[in-house]
Amino acid sequence: DTEVTQTPKHLVMGMTNKKSLKCEQHMGHRAMYWYKQKAKKPPELMFVYSYEKLSINESVPSRFSPECPNSSLLNLHLHALQPEDSALYLCASSRSGTFNTEAFFGQGTRLTVV
Amino acid sequence: DQQVKQNSPSLSVQEGRISILNCDYTNSMFDYFLWYKKYPAEGPTFLISISSIKDKNEDGRFTVFLNKSAKHLSLHIVPSQPGDSAVYFCAAGVSGGTSYGKLTFGQGTILTVHP
Repeated sequence: DTEVTQTPKHLVMGMTNKKSLKCEQHMGHRAMYWYKQKAKKPPELMFVYSYEKLSINESVPSRFSPECPNSSLLNLHLHALQPEDSALYLCASSRSGTFNTEAFFGQGTRLTVV
Repeated sequence: DQQVKQNSPSLSVQEGRISILNCDYTNSMFDYFLWYKKYPAEGPTFLISISSIKDKNEDGRFTVFLNKSAKHLSLHIVPSQPGDSAVYFCAAGVSGGTSYGKLTFGQGTILTVHP
C-alpha cells in the first residue's frame, strides 16, 4: 500500500463553519505533512508532524489547527476560514530518519470557502 | 525570496525526443532534491530524487543531474511520451536540523509532449 488517502475530495464551507480534513497512510511513515496549493502556484508547507509531534508550523493562522491522533492519521481542523483560504490542501507522508525523504502525496482536498 | 526557481513556465517537446526541465536554487543548505509530476486535480507524484553527495541519478527514462557549484539541477526524460504531459515541480530540502522534512517547491513547468 503506497497510498495517502485524503477525505473529503471536495469541501465547500461557510466562513462560520467548522470542518475537518482527514488524511491516512499505512506505509509506516512517521512524518506527515499538510501543504496548501493555490492555483498556478507551488505547494506551500503548512505543518510537519514527526513521530506524532508537531515539528514545524510555518506561521499558519490559528484558524487552521492540525492534529495527529496516531502514526497513520493526520487531521486539519478548520474554523472561521476566509474566502482567500480556498485552495487545494495536500497531505503527504515520508519515512523518518532516512536520507532520501521523498514525500508521498495524497490527491488533495479542494476547499472552497464562501 | 524564492529559494527554488523553475524559470521556464512551459516546455513543448515532440514524442520520442528528450525533455529537459531545469531548476535553480539559492539556499546552499539544501542537500536533497526531488522532482514531482502533477496532473490536474491530483496530488504530486514522486518521480526521482538526488542527494548532494551525487551528481547524477537515473531511474528508467528519468535522469536527474545536480551541479552544486552552479546550484542547478535538471531532469531529463528520454524518450518523451505523450503521457509525460503534466506539471513538473522541482523541490529541495535540508536533511537535518529543525528544517528536516520541509520541502520547498519551485513554481512548476508545464510539459507538453506532442505525438
